[in-house]
Amino acid sequence: NAGVMQNPRHLVRRRGQEARLRCSPMKGHSHVYWYRQLPEEGLKFMVYLQKENIIDESGMPKERFSAEFPKEGPSILRIQQVVRGDSAAYFCASSLAGGHMNEQFFGPGTRLTVL
Amino acid sequence: AQSVAQPEDQVNVAEGNPLTVKCTYSVSGNPYLFWYVQYPNRGLQFLLKYITGDNLVKGSYGFEAEFNKSQTSFHLKKPSALVSDSALYFCAVVISGGSYIPTFGRGTSLIVHP
Repeated sequence: NAGVMQNPRHLVRRRGQEARLRCSPMKGHSHVYWYRQLPEEGLKFMVYLQKENIIDESGMPKERFSAEFPKEGPSILRIQQVVRGDSAAYFCASSLAGGHMNEQFFGPGTRLTVL
Repeated sequence: AQSVAQPEDQVNVAEGNPLTVKCTYSVSGNPYLFWYVQYPNRGLQFLLKYITGDNLVKGSYGFEAEFNKSQTSFHLKKPSALVSDSALYFCAVVISGGSYIPTFGRGTSLIVHP
């Protein structure tokens, strides 16, 4: 009964490179959320997706960041031309349904370091 | 609009003593409230939630929280703290009928001393 899986757990990139973060939700979950966590800043919402659809991307920077959740395979958070300010822990969460009452199940996170 | 405040960055308590981690919220509708815990280098784990009904909610690991509408609070409590409870605790709120996206507090670091 695997939980939410994220890989890689640690990712090091040089400025200007691309970062791809993967998230496999819990079995049976079709709702995925991405968050960014910076030290002492708490958890910031980025994007909410259902299969093949972006539901809410209000927390995502307009440039360089994109997300997808294809019909088959994991959800991908993609950061192009990374900068040092992108260094953070990125967490994916999934829920059984998208209602207000459903708790989210979090993955272990991907720690991105931009050199 | 919705917001959550966790007024204490850190709470220190001796093992065996009761603990309280505070959370207050501000919403323009009916709130659904959640507590999550984060251990070092891990993702958040769900502890408990208030949706409706009894104001006292019981959750995992002996934690409970009380919804207080008049004070707009949802403080997390445990009668007897364990050293293993030391972690980062997050309160979150979702508005009934609003966006599905929870707003998280900044987190409170709980340190339980032996």
